[in-house]
Amino acid sequence: DIQLTQSPASLSASVGDSVTITCRTRQSISVYLQWYRQKPGKAPELLIYVASSLQSGVPSRFSGSGSETDFTLTISSLQPEDSATYYCQQSYSPVHTFGQGTKLEIK
Amino acid sequence: QVTLRESGPALVKPTQTLTLTCTFSGFSLSTSGMCVSWVRQPPGKALEWLARIDWDDGKHYSTSLKTRLTISKDTSKNQVVLTMTNMDPEDTATYYCARTPPPSSSWYDYWGRGILVTVSS
Repeated sequence: DIQLTQSPASLSASVGDSVTITCRTRQSISVYLQWYRQKPGKAPELLIYVASSLQSGVPSRFSGSGSETDFTLTISSLQPEDSATYYCQQSYSPVHTFGQGTKLEIK
Repeated sequence: QVTLRESGPALVKPTQTLTLTCTFSGFSLSTSGMCVSWVRQPPGKALEWLARIDWDDGKHYSTSLKTRLTISKDTSKNQVVLTMTNMDPEDTATYYCARTPPPSSSWYDYWGRGILVTVSS
């Protein structure tokens, strides 16, 4: 299976800050990489698909970039509701996999 | 309006077989490119992809769990069923079903609320 490595595992930032989360793979997955936000006790919600496409209804302060083996999720102008765990997910292989998650705390 | 809902037992004993049903509405699994997957999350841990069934009855399984998993669909009932054999306490998790829309069969745009399954004697 294709392993995804997210960094950092956790981070803390203030309202209004910008943060970047990274997702890396050992093999190329083209642009078949998605990002999700999961708030405590809730199901994940899709933010970004195929590396850089913003899901309908998601605020434009979320953006994704990257290709091949290195991908980033950037959240600008952080809001209190962004306190959550963020996951990347690859769909290059029919056997999908998720990263281990990045927990974002809003101070 | 797209909705998915997981159902099944909240508690199973070790070695038993778990059967979960995902009942959905607002889309058809006979639509070309449509898929439904199962994902689980042990308490306090990361998401783990389990299995996917495609509109054409294609099936894909997690490599580490494929010997224990079976996924099937009943298009007329709008249901997808996942069975997992030989349950272990380490299988305690919230189990989610999620939709993958066409055309790329890549991302999960709608999720169920999840069902917590505890494995304990």
